[in-house]
Amino acid sequence: EIVLTQSPATLSLSPGERATLSCRASQSVSSYLAWYQQKPGQAPRLLIYGASNRATGIPARFSGSGSGTDFTLTISSLEPEDFAVYYCQQRSSWPETFGQGTKVEIK
Amino acid sequence: QVQLQESGPGLVKPSETLSLTCSVSGGSISGYYWSWIRQPPGKGLEWIGYIYYSGSTTYNPSLQSRVTISVDTSRNQFSLKVSSVTAADTAVYYCARFGVLSSGKHYMDVWGKGTTVTVSS
Repeated sequence: EIVLTQSPATLSLSPGERATLSCRASQSVSSYLAWYQQKPGQAPRLLIYGASNRATGIPARFSGSGSGTDFTLTISSLEPEDFAVYYCQQRSSWPETFGQGTKVEIK
Repeated sequence: QVQLQESGPGLVKPSETLSLTCSVSGGSISGYYWSWIRQPPGKGLEWIGYIYYSGSTTYNPSLQSRVTISVDTSRNQFSLKVSSVTAADTAVYYCARFGVLSSGKHYMDVWGKGTTVTVSS
C-alpha cells in the first residue's frame, strides 16, 4: 500500500498570504495524484487532478505540481473561504490511498 | 447538474450489516465508475471500493471480506453493504462519481453530502 505523507499537519497563515502544501508518496505514483478541499461538515471537493489540472470551477489561485513521489499544492493568495483541510489522494495503485490532511487555519 | 444523495439507517448494532444507498439525480449512472469513501469522526478519508455501472467491483483489501457494492441502473442508484460491523465502522459515509478523466485515470468530481452511521448497541 502506498503511503501519502502530507506536511505540515497545520499551516497558520493570514488572508492574502501564499500557502504551500506538500504531499510525499512512499513510492512513485507518476502523475496520478489529486487534491481535495474539505470544509467542516462538508464533503471533499476536487481541486486538482492528474497532479496539475484544475477541476471545473476551481479558481486560478490553486495550482498543483510534481510527479513521482513529491507533490505540491499552492494557493497563491489565500481568500477567507480557503481555510479548510486539504487531502492528497493517489490513483496509481490499489488500494488508492489518501494523505492524512493539512489544515490551513487563520493566523 | 449531477447530484448524489446517500440514504440509510444512522444507527446500526454491532455484528449487524450496514446498508446504504446512493441515489443519482440529474444524470445517468451509466458510463461511469462510482465509489464509496468513509471518514471516521475527526479522522481522514478511507476508500471503501468502487463499482462500474456494468457491475464490476474493486474493494479495499482491508475491508474486502465484509464489503459488497452493487448497482441498480434501472433505479439510477448504487449501494453499499458492510457486514459484521463494529464501533470502528462508525463514520460519515460518502458516495462519489469518477467523472474526470486524465491520462487514463478517473477522479472523483461529484460527491454526496455524506451520511453519518454510528455503530452502537
